[in-house]
Amino acid sequence: EVQLVESGGGWVQPGGSLRLSCAGSGFTFSNYWMSWVRQAPGKGLEWVANIERDGGGKYYVDSVKGRFTISRDNAKNSLHLQMSSLRADDTALYYCARVGQVGPQDVWGQGTTVTVSS
Amino acid sequence: EIVLMQSPGTLSLSPGERATLSCRASQSVNGDYLAWYQQKPGRAPRLLFYGASIRATGIPDSFSGSGSGTDFTLTISRLEPEDSAVYYCQQYGSSPWTFGQGTKVEIK
Repeated sequence: EVQLVESGGGWVQPGGSLRLSCAGSGFTFSNYWMSWVRQAPGKGLEWVANIERDGGGKYYVDSVKGRFTISRDNAKNSLHLQMSSLRADDTALYYCARVGQVGPQDVWGQGTTVTVSS
Repeated sequence: EIVLMQSPGTLSLSPGERATLSCRASQSVNGDYLAWYQQKPGRAPRLLFYGASIRATGIPDSFSGSGSGTDFTLTISRLEPEDSAVYYCQQYGSSPWTFGQGTKVEIK
């Protein structure tokens, strides 16, 4: 079964840091781009970042550039999102998603919640 | 950045009725790289269509996607109670990838 499982969410004060992880299984992880997508409470979906198969190309939404870093470890079938200088508006459910061979995110995890609050 | 506007915000229909959801882009979507997702409360999004009209695995044929350029449509031909959800369009043809704000489909 193709599966993505996120971890690492929690509560953090503004200005703090957090590292999210996502474990992939049931597919050849290194063959796929991967994404992080977030959803603020009661709001819509927002794409956060993509990373290419070998980690060579990384793409971010403007609001997180310079603060978030996406990375992957293909040997461990894992995806990460290092978040720093966190703000209240980063509060959201963060989904890890596989980017399908023909385009958009086709497999999603269940998400991990990040709360930024003093 | 391509802005996607979805309409209507909420659609309230009876079982068996036809639902038509619109997604309009602020500029042409490269390659018609437009996807539709369904999200039910407390669940992750589920891919319905990619390439504007290509049905994802396991999606029933009561769902159809169409459109090109800046105007795209998701149609549910015969609504069933389990189709109650929020539906999002997404363009993945140019960075940043963007989502519409969603259309909530309610079943009366």
